[in-house]
Amino acid sequence: GAVVSQHPSWVICKSGTSVKIECRSLDFQATTMFWYRQFPKQSLMLMATSNEGSKATYEQGVEKDKFLINHASLTLSTLTVTSAHPEDSSFYICSARDPAGGGGEKLFFGSGTQLSVL
Amino acid sequence: AQSVTQLDSQVPVFEEAPVELRCNYSSSVSVYLFWYVQYPNQGLQLLLKYLSGSTLVESINGFEAEFNKSQTSFHLRKPSVHISDTAEYFCAVSGSGGYQKVTFGTGTKLQVIP
Repeated sequence: GAVVSQHPSWVICKSGTSVKIECRSLDFQATTMFWYRQFPKQSLMLMATSNEGSKATYEQGVEKDKFLINHASLTLSTLTVTSAHPEDSSFYICSARDPAGGGGEKLFFGSGTQLSVL
Repeated sequence: AQSVTQLDSQVPVFEEAPVELRCNYSSSVSVYLFWYVQYPNQGLQLLLKYLSGSTLVESINGFEAEFNKSQTSFHLRKPSVHISDTAEYFCAVSGSGGYQKVTFGTGTKLQVIP
């Protein structure tokens, strides 16, 4: 099946620093990628939808200036957590949609990034 | 709006025993339903899906799920689990009209005990 690579898998940073997470579709071109956040024992919550060449669409309650998303190519989307604080500590996971698909059956997920802000 | 409820956060089961992971959903529109699996240190993978047609769907590794519209459920079952089934399982729902957002449940950790 299709492969989505997410890097890094684990990052620790000091409060106030920025962290960039990369999501790459390795064997297909993803015009749309999604960023999710998961707190312990909670659902994956959609943060934003990233469309290649245009601005990301953020879900209600997600600060777009805090979580910068760039989708500059058909195979790469990045999420930058700016001025990270301990409350941003979470598991972040990306997914890419195979444009040949329709609903959730064509979503392919990265392995996630565990962010810990000290 | 849609929501998914997975009441069991962890399910321990002995090897070769049957298992059922429960999933209930709510939606005001017709739905597609999914089960995703996440093995340790890996991304989510689609396990099986219900889009239309037969309400009983099966995966290649012996899991099955049945869409029950009246009970708004999509429980996942396997008659005999293996150690390699140890993973976290997520139930998910999306609307059925064109591409729509996928809403996930909180996940159920299946722990198969040898």
